Amino acid sequence: AQSVSQHNHHVILSEAASLELGCNYSYGGTVNLFWYVQYPGQHLQLLLKYFSGDPLVKGIKGFEAEFIKSKFSFNLRKPSVQWSDTAEYFCAVNAHGGYQKVTFGTGTKLQVIP
Amino acid sequence: DGGITQSPKYLFRKEGQNVTLSCEQNLNHDAMYWYRQDPGQGLRLIYYSQIVNDFQKGDIAEGYSVSREKKESFPLTVTSAQKNPTAFYLCASMGGMFSGANVLTFGAGSRLTVL
Repeated sequence: AQSVSQHNHHVILSEAASLELGCNYSYGGTVNLFWYVQYPGQHLQLLLKYFSGDPLVKGIKGFEAEFIKSKFSFNLRKPSVQWSDTAEYFCAVNAHGGYQKVTFGTGTKLQVIP
Repeated sequence: DGGITQSPKYLFRKEGQNVTLSCEQNLNHDAMYWYRQDPGQGLRLIYYSQIVNDFQKGDIAEGYSVSREKKESFPLTVTSAQKNPTAFYLCASMGGMFSGANVLTFGAGSRLTVL
């Protein structure tokens, strides 16, 4: 069975600070990895994804994530956060191939203070 | 505009009553999903369907039922057997073979409160 662990439940940062949110997954095979974001009052939306190839992937709004296979990790980073990044961030995983079940982590609430 | 429509947005139910949440998509996606979102617990998968007339249990299927008679529709029934049904329910779909493949598109959600 696949699972996702997000280490930080609530993060508070000042504007311009750097961000790194941890995500580890458990699954025995090849995976697709995702970060989704839920801004206040908005739908959940995709931030970035990794399917294969370059393990450093870039998403919207200056976010990036690095897949480290040996560590089963897919940490999310942003060099300088803005107040508008205040949101809840979810890491997710599914098995490669077809329309598989997608498992989410418990989420990290990010609060950016102006 | 293509997307997922969930209704109702808010729903109140008395204990012991079944309630059905609607989810309709016009994205021509093959797969559809139901999640439950609770504070501090993230999204937990209830059921998902890869094709019409077929569906699989997710991690927390007990007390819920679904049907998939049409490609665009995937209603969720919260039965009286669900012990803690008050939650925010999210429907999602996935489809396509190219850039959008394997990416979930979410609806706005339905908030169910049991009185």
